[in-house]
Amino acid sequence: AQRVTQPEKLLSVFKGAPVELKCNYSYSGSPELFWYVQYSRQRLQLLLRHISRESIKGFTADLNKGETSFHLKKPFAQEEDSAMYYCALSPISNFGNEKLTFGTGTRLTIIP
Amino acid sequence: ETGVTQSPTHLIKTRGQQVTLRCSSQSGHNTVSWYQQALGQGPQFIFQYYREEENGRGNFPPRFSGLQFPNYSSELNVNALELDDSALYLCASSSYGHSYNEQFFGPGTRLTVL
Repeated sequence: AQRVTQPEKLLSVFKGAPVELKCNYSYSGSPELFWYVQYSRQRLQLLLRHISRESIKGFTADLNKGETSFHLKKPFAQEEDSAMYYCALSPISNFGNEKLTFGTGTRLTIIP
Repeated sequence: ETGVTQSPTHLIKTRGQQVTLRCSSQSGHNTVSWYQQALGQGPQFIFQYYREEENGRGNFPPRFSGLQFPNYSSELNVNALELDDSALYLCASSSYGHSYNEQFFGPGTRLTVL
């Protein structure tokens, strides 16, 4: 069975400090990994996906297949980064029809 | 271009009743996925519809069913409601046939079962 684990429900970081949100997964095969974000009073939206290898809003995430991890990192936290973050996985699809398995989420608060 | 819309925003039902939730996909999208998000949990995949047919299902009982219409809008039906069905129901639309296309989520319908 596939599973996504986000060990921290809450994380508080001072503005300007580095941020790391942890995500571990279990999946038999090679999944596609994602980070989704939900800002206050907004919809759930895609932040980044490992296949595209992009850096979005200063965030990066590296897929470590050996440790089955996909931690989200940002070198310098900004107040607007305060939000709920979800790690998710899906079987690899070339057709844009991912079926996502989400973790329980980490609420990130940036302290001014 | 309009985003994903869902209706109603909130509703309250009693145990044993039936409910229908609606979702209009984003313009140009042909696939709709439904998720259930219980309080304090991440969204859980219910099923996906493409070309009016179910295209994958999560670990949900048959009393959760759906439809997709020719205009790609979709309905989620839940029969014999149970207290544990209380949750936020999210739909997401995407474009099948195009790799790296993201799923765009709607605002959700909050269902309370008493």
